[in-house]
Amino acid sequence: NAGVTQTPKFQVLKTGQSMTLQCAQDMNHNSMYWYRQDPGMGLRLIYYSASEGTTDKGEVPNGYNVSRLNKREFSLRLESAAPSQTSVYFCASSAGTAYSNQPQHFGDGTRLSIL
Amino acid sequence: GNSVTQMEGPVTLSEEAFLTINCTYTATGYPSLFWYVQYPGEGLQLLLKATKADDKGSNKGFEATYRKETTSFHLEKGSVQVSDSAVYFCALYSSASKIIFGSGTRLSIRP
Repeated sequence: NAGVTQTPKFQVLKTGQSMTLQCAQDMNHNSMYWYRQDPGMGLRLIYYSASEGTTDKGEVPNGYNVSRLNKREFSLRLESAAPSQTSVYFCASSAGTAYSNQPQHFGDGTRLSIL
Repeated sequence: GNSVTQMEGPVTLSEEAFLTINCTYTATGYPSLFWYVQYPGEGLQLLLKATKADDKGSNKGFEATYRKETTSFHLEKGSVQVSDSAVYFCALYSSASKIIFGSGTRLSIRP
């Protein structure tokens, strides 16, 4: 029962480096999401994908890119990391073909520090 | 725009105490409301939901009632356990704003 799997769990980068956060789900969900969690600010949506082949910006997309590689996988890329991107990143998935009130299933997060 | 406001934490209670975590919202139309729980080192898990006014969501001894007249969705539990220590997030979904999470309330239960 893997659910949503994120890799890596921890990462430290230097300013200006790039990296890709990986996410895969095995629940045959159509919709997938990337959030960042910062102290006192709850979760903020970075990007989401309502179905394979589509992606849309969320609340805080600047500095990030995403790829919906197939139905299972949704990756988040930081092209040139900045200290302001230090955060905990969560991937989530949900049933349905559009952003809906279906419950979201979350991975355990990636803790990213930018020095 | 739509928004969710939760009571600030941390909330510290003794085991078997009664719990209330307040959540109020601002939204147009008829949003769906959720409570998620986050245990240390893990992602969020859906705890309960309600999709229309006067609905009561319940799970694992927790309850919340969708009150449209007071725009509230307060989380309650009659007798908390140490294992309930976690961060609790209230969330709202509407077609206009998609999903919005509150800032979270950290709950600590003393044995």
